[in-house]
Amino acid sequence: ETGVTQSPTHLIKTRGQQVTLRCSSQSGHNTVSWYQQALGQGPQFIFQYYREEENGRGNFPPRFSGLQFPNYSSELNVNALELDDSALYLCASSLWSAGGETQYFGPGTRLLVL
Amino acid sequence: QQQVKQSPQSLIVQKGGISIINCAYENTAFDYFPWYQQFPGKGPALLIAIRPDVSEKKEGRFTISFNKSAKQFSLHIMDSQPGDSATYFCAASIEPGGATNKLIFGTGTLLAVQP
Repeated sequence: ETGVTQSPTHLIKTRGQQVTLRCSSQSGHNTVSWYQQALGQGPQFIFQYYREEENGRGNFPPRFSGLQFPNYSSELNVNALELDDSALYLCASSLWSAGGETQYFGPGTRLLVL
Repeated sequence: QQQVKQSPQSLIVQKGGISIINCAYENTAFDYFPWYQQFPGKGPALLIAIRPDVSEKKEGRFTISFNKSAKQFSLHIMDSQPGDSATYFCAASIEPGGATNKLIFGTGTLLAVQP
């Protein structure tokens, strides 16, 4: 186990709704990244937070937003849900250091948009 | 230039055999190359990783071979076991200190090890 937890495990929403996904990082990890994994594909980078500030973003629209809190938890918010947002959403925590970092993934939240 | 190309898409190996999965990249700024293993319903788990200053890294039955000039790297699973049946992803990233350390993943290889 990686020590990274996510909630909920599964979620069903309808198009146009908003959703909040949650992640609890490993204790002491100052960086959290969020990825979207469509069925049969590799994870795609959404964004990364370092010390509660956004620190890089992938090719995702602004309706994907996030927060990182001092207690190592974080959120991914998606507004105006579209059918193509159906995917497994993964968070990965890591300790940013000069020697590089290993990203530890949680089990993911499976989102289905109808 | 940000892509990581992975092959094959699927692989069937007999128990005890060697599984080989290949990846190629374009961005020469990549300097960290991990392999992740993912079981159904689970998140990816780090298996083994390499940096370009070495050509090979071995951990137990898992070996990464790295060819910097060809911009290719591969995962070898020796003595493959049915419990190794999973999806394997290669990835690449740029070490933090400058750019965001986002992982660029390959498309995955579904490995089935037959008993």
